[in-house]
Amino acid sequence: DQQVKQNSPSLSVQEGRISILNCDYTNSMFDYFLWYKKYPAEGPTFLISISSIKDENEDGRFTVFLNKSAKHLSLHIVPSQPGDSAVYFCAASLGYSGGSNYKLTFGKGTLLTVNP
Amino acid sequence: ETGVTQSPTHLIKTRGQQVTLRCSSQSGHNTVSWYQQALGQGPQFIFQYYREEENGRGNFPPRFSGLQFPNYSSELNVNALELDDSALYLCASSPGKKIQETQYFGPGTRLLVL
Repeated sequence: DQQVKQNSPSLSVQEGRISILNCDYTNSMFDYFLWYKKYPAEGPTFLISISSIKDENEDGRFTVFLNKSAKHLSLHIVPSQPGDSAVYFCAASLGYSGGSNYKLTFGKGTLLTVNP
Repeated sequence: ETGVTQSPTHLIKTRGQQVTLRCSSQSGHNTVSWYQQALGQGPQFIFQYYREEENGRGNFPPRFSGLQFPNYSSELNVNALELDDSALYLCASSPGKKIQETQYFGPGTRLLVL
């Protein structure tokens, strides 16, 4: 049973345009969400996070939006750059509210290709 | 560069054998988590150690075990290897146990079980 789903295995966008990566989750108890980026032969790198008490969090070109009622989050990258080409993983956790459950549940990932 | 290293980078074993994978965390990082990433899947949580004690476990059988040492290194041991254990094994370290603290991943060890 996959609790975090990334239904698009791949996404291709033009340089300078917006990239929108989507993620759905089924466990309504998740209270912290993260996006990781992974290049080949490297481990995942933390990109941005959001707690369930917020709807939106921005960090430079990256913005994460959380829709709790739809159990959906998205990552927006504006403008997209060729160096953003990587696999993006959505992850969720139960641990924000102070519990000791730090475990991350990951989606399968979306391969983003930004074309020059 | 995350400051987290793993060894070896690649490993080939046969079914039934035992394997030890190693991780060196950033200095001062008291928490290490291990993940298994099968081909085409996202990383799956195996277990976490905090200050040398197991601090939680995912849905993996007891033949997956670990150790964490005072020098910020850790090990993942897998006994009685099965073909399905073929995967990329990732370790991630963080300073403490709060989920808000960034986890830094190593590059992984790719294990192939024949």
